Formats: sequence, C-alpha cells, structure tokens
Amino acid sequence: DTGVSQDPRHKITKRGQNVTFRCDPISEHNRLYWYRQTLGQGPEFLTYFQNEAQLEKSRLLSDRFSAERPKGSFSTLEIQRTEQGDSAMYLCASSLGLKRDRGETNYGYTFGSGTRLTVV
Amino acid sequence: QKEVEQDPGPLSVPEGAIVSLNCTYSNSAFQYFMWYRQYSRKGPELLMYTYSSGNKEDGRFTAQVDKSSKYISLFIRDSQPSDSATYLCAMSATGGFKTIFGAGTRLFVKA
Repeated sequence: DTGVSQDPRHKITKRGQNVTFRCDPISEHNRLYWYRQTLGQGPEFLTYFQNEAQLEKSRLLSDRFSAERPKGSFSTLEIQRTEQGDSAMYLCASSLGLKRDRGETNYGYTFGSGTRLTVV
Repeated sequence: QKEVEQDPGPLSVPEGAIVSLNCTYSNSAFQYFMWYRQYSRKGPELLMYTYSSGNKEDGRFTAQVDKSSKYISLFIRDSQPSDSATYLCAMSATGGFKTIFGAGTRLFVKA
C-alpha cells in the first residue's frame, strides 16, 4: 500500500466549468476526509465518510460541491460551476477509526499530496 | 475568534537549536491533540498524537498538552535543516472526527 493517492495533482479550469477529483485511501482505513487549504492557512474541514456513509458536511460545502464514496472505497469530490474563490489545494485523508468501550479512538490522519485547483 | 490560534511565524533558528511551537484553543471539548508537518507542495504528515493532557516524546520531538490553560506545545531538539517546514497543530473532540487545524507556523532551520 503506497498511502493515500489523489488525482489529478494539478487542475486548471475556466470559471463556470465542472471539475472532479479522485481520492484512493489506504485500503484498510474506514474513514475518509476532504479538506481544503489555501495559501498560509491550515486545512479546513469539508466532509467525511465512514465507509460509504457521508456523516458530516461543513457549511463551507455549498450546493455546488458534492462528494461520494461508492462501496466505501475511493471517493470523488465534484465542484460544479467553479468560481475563482474555489482555487485552493484539496486534500484527502484517511484514518482507521476504532471503537473501544470508553468511546472511539482517533489515531490521526494520513493525507494525500492534494489536488491543486486553479480557476481562471 | 478562531477555535485554534497559531502564530504563523516565520521562525528562523540555527541548526542544533531547540525549537518551541505553540497553539492555543478555545473549545474545551477537544481531547485529541496532534502535530503535523507539511513540506512545500505536499500534504501534511502526522508527527505526534496525544490524548488528553500530558507529555509525549518521540525521538527529538516532545508534545505537551495543558488542558487547564488550553495550550499545546511541540518541542524539537537538535533541530536540523531537514526540519524546515510548516508545522500545523490540530485537535478534535471525543466522538467526533472533524479535526480543526491551526494556520501553521513556518520554520526555517539554517545550516
């Protein structure tokens, strides 16, 4: 397993076009996350999946954004009618969430290298 | 006010120095505290992970959490030029896996 893979690494698109990004997580990880990072800022949470279920979405994720994780494996993030403000690095991460008697355990994320989106 | 505050730096130190990086936070529900390192044009990489308060050491890195002060620190001993990167603090609440990141501190270690 080579870690979390994201494709493409770079995407330049014209304003108003639709774009789709793909993430392949570490195979044994049941949780998958999408984050967005702009220059000089830390990653901002967008959404997360446990297996194929999308459990939480940020209000940053407007109705132009949609994410899927069919069959609990890879995930796609689609942005419709792109705007210049969508220009950012889109990061995917995965983790193994384990249940224990006192609650779930968070072991931190493994991130991919990201997809850098430029909207012109 | 942001949930997590982190001085963006940049912080420039000579090789071999001890580096101290810090974050403060406002949400008392946070239980999991992490430090990530991010090189230019790469995704963040998990460095240290701590549950609740206390210290954790791993090689040249020591993470400290003081929940009473809502303050976390990362210390890097014998810093190397290869430690030059952006360091992101991150935290999440029990039972929730949405992780909140600081803005990151840029560190430069000069040979």
